[in-house]
Amino acid sequence: QVQLVESGGGMVQPGGSLRLSCEGSGFSFKNFAFHWVRQAPGKGLEWLTAMSYDGNSIYYADSVRGRFSISRDDAKHTVFLQMNGLRREDTALYYCARDIDFRPSASGHFDHWGPGTQVIVYS
Amino acid sequence: QSVLTQPPSVSGAPRQRVTISCSGSYSNIGKHGVNWYQQLPGKAPKVLIYYDDLLSSGVSDRFSGSKSDTSASLTISGLQSEDEADYFCSVWDDSLNGWVFGGGTKLTVL
Repeated sequence: QVQLVESGGGMVQPGGSLRLSCEGSGFSFKNFAFHWVRQAPGKGLEWLTAMSYDGNSIYYADSVRGRFSISRDDAKHTVFLQMNGLRREDTALYYCARDIDFRPSASGHFDHWGPGTQVIVYS
Repeated sequence: QSVLTQPPSVSGAPRQRVTISCSGSYSNIGKHGVNWYQQLPGKAPKVLIYYDDLLSSGVSDRFSGSKSDTSASLTISGLQSEDEADYFCSVWDDSLNGWVFGGGTKLTVL
């Protein structure tokens, strides 16, 4: 069955960096687009970024553009989120989600989610 | 403040029907399909409805979606205790060039 598992979360000081990973299994990884979504403690969901199957279409939310970057390694069935210049407001549970299609589009949705990895930015 | 507005909470008795609204604008709901996600306590979100009114595979037909102009709704019929969860609407926004979520609605089954 389709599985996504995030890792790489942890505690970091403001200004620091973290690299999150999301490994997929049970499906043809290279044929799908992926997203990262986060949820601050007690808050709602916030979409962050998406990447197409070939890496040629990438989207970012304004809140993370220029600080976060998404990438993928199909050989490792893994999508990454590099987070630089972390701020206290980046403290959240970070989810990886698979897109229904190979390229993110307005008609798409997120059909599978991982359990999330926790990021805490503290001073 | 979210681009999409949802009521913070709704409640209903078992076997009743409840509706959760999601209000947006022309650049998002007015032009694109709305998706609805359920988040059970301590769990990752799960898609219930996609493209306004299509039921995701394996989801109970007690869930249904609709849309009119710049507002969308999720209706849950025959409420069950297991439906207690947070519900989020989501859609692509042309102005932001990305996806947006509503603030979420907490459903309580009385």
